Amino acid sequence: DTEVTQTPKHLVMGMTNKKSLKCEQHMGHRAMYWYKQKAKKPPELMFVYSYEKLSINESVPSRFSPECPNSSLLNLHLHALQPEDSALYLCASSQEPLGESYEQYFGPGTRLTVT
Amino acid sequence: DAKTTQPPSMDCAEGRAANLPCNHSTISGNEYVYWYRQIHSQGPQYIIHGLKNNETNEMASLIITEDRKSSTLILPHATLRDTAVYYCIVRGTGANSKLTFGKGITLSVRP
Repeated sequence: DTEVTQTPKHLVMGMTNKKSLKCEQHMGHRAMYWYKQKAKKPPELMFVYSYEKLSINESVPSRFSPECPNSSLLNLHLHALQPEDSALYLCASSQEPLGESYEQYFGPGTRLTVT
Repeated sequence: DAKTTQPPSMDCAEGRAANLPCNHSTISGNEYVYWYRQIHSQGPQYIIHGLKNNETNEMASLIITEDRKSSTLILPHATLRDTAVYYCIVRGTGANSKLTFGKGITLSVRP
C-alpha cells in the first residue's frame, strides 16, 4: 500500500468557519508534510512532522494549525482563513524525515475555497 | 533562490523518447537530484533520483553529467499519460533536505 489519502477532496468555507483537513498513510512512514499549491504555481512546503513532532514550520500564519495524533494521521486545522488561502493543500509522507534520499509520496490534495 | 533551471515547456511525439533537461550548476557534493511530476489536478509523483551515477527504474532514466552541473530525465517511450509538469529538484540531507519545487517544465505529449 503506497497510498496517501486526503479528505475531503473539496472544501468551501467562510472566513469565520473552523474546518480541518485530514491525511492518512499506512506505509509506516515516520515523516509527514503539508504543502500549499496555488493555481499554476509549484507546491510550497508548510510543515514537516518528524516522528509525530513538528520539526519545520515555514513561517506559516497561525490560522493554520497542524496536528499529528499518531504516526499514520496528519491534520491541518483551519480557522479565520482569508480568500487568498484558497489553494490545493497537499499532504505527503516519507520513510524517514529529512534523511538521505527518501522519496515523498503525495496524496491527491484537498482543494480549498475560502469565501 | 532557485537551485535548478528548467525550460518552461517542451513537447514530444507519442512513442518517442522525451528528454527533459535540468541545470543545477551550484549543486553541492552531498546534494541529490530528484525528479517529480504532477499530472493536472493530482498530487506530485516521485519519478527517480540520483547522486552521481546514472539511474534507471521502470518509469525513467536519469543521466547526470560528470561535473553534476546538469542532468536529463529520459522517458523512453512517451505516452499521452506522461503529459504533466516535471520538477527537477536538488535536495540535500539533514537540515537541508526539504523538497523545494521550482517552476518545472511542462511536457506535452502529442499523438
